[in-house]
Amino acid sequence: EPEVTQTPSHQVTQMGQEVILRCVPISNHLYFYWYRQILGQKVEFLVSFYNNEISEKSEIFDDQFSVERPDGSNFTLKIRSTKLEDSAMYFCASSSQKTNTEAFFGQGTRLTVV
Amino acid sequence: EDKVVQSPLSLVVHEGDTVTLNCSYEVTNFRSLLWYKQEKKAPTFLFMLTSSGIEKKSGRLSSILDKKELFSILNITATQTGDSAIYLCAVGNSGYALNFGKGTSLLVTP
Repeated sequence: EPEVTQTPSHQVTQMGQEVILRCVPISNHLYFYWYRQILGQKVEFLVSFYNNEISEKSEIFDDQFSVERPDGSNFTLKIRSTKLEDSAMYFCASSSQKTNTEAFFGQGTRLTVV
Repeated sequence: EDKVVQSPLSLVVHEGDTVTLNCSYEVTNFRSLLWYKQEKKAPTFLFMLTSSGIEKKSGRLSSILDKKELFSILNITATQTGDSAIYLCAVGNSGYALNFGKGTSLLVTP
């Protein structure tokens, strides 16, 4: 069964460092997303990406964040200068349609900022 | 502001019990409601509901949506220890984002 894969599974970084989280969405999907889940809190939407551009972003997705689809398969989330409060589980998801269809989630990258 | 509220927040039942999980929502331009199961990491998809009154069923799990009263329920019959997880309700509107509730943590004891 096709799945969304994310690497690394766990990343520890020092405050102020840049991190890149990587995702390979399901191959025939066109819509890509990043969500995050701070420990003990709900899953929160960060950004969606379609047709090589951001289609929607939340208030969380400020200038420190960026996304890219550098080739036909990878989808990345970059955090430019990490803060302690960026520590969370980051989920990549993809879907075949914009609405009325399920989004499939990857296993997540646990980011710990120290 | 859009809201998705799940209840109860946590639940402990014995194997074989039937449970009902609730999700109420206030969302502008509602399009769909989705249920996910989150065991260790990734939310895994269970159901998507778009139409009122039509039950979706998969084995011991079923779900129904009431668009007039703005809620959905997820039923699990004959629960097993493997059903222990956090169950997430998420609502999609005319945009791209899914708005998640805080989840219901279900523990099924032997």
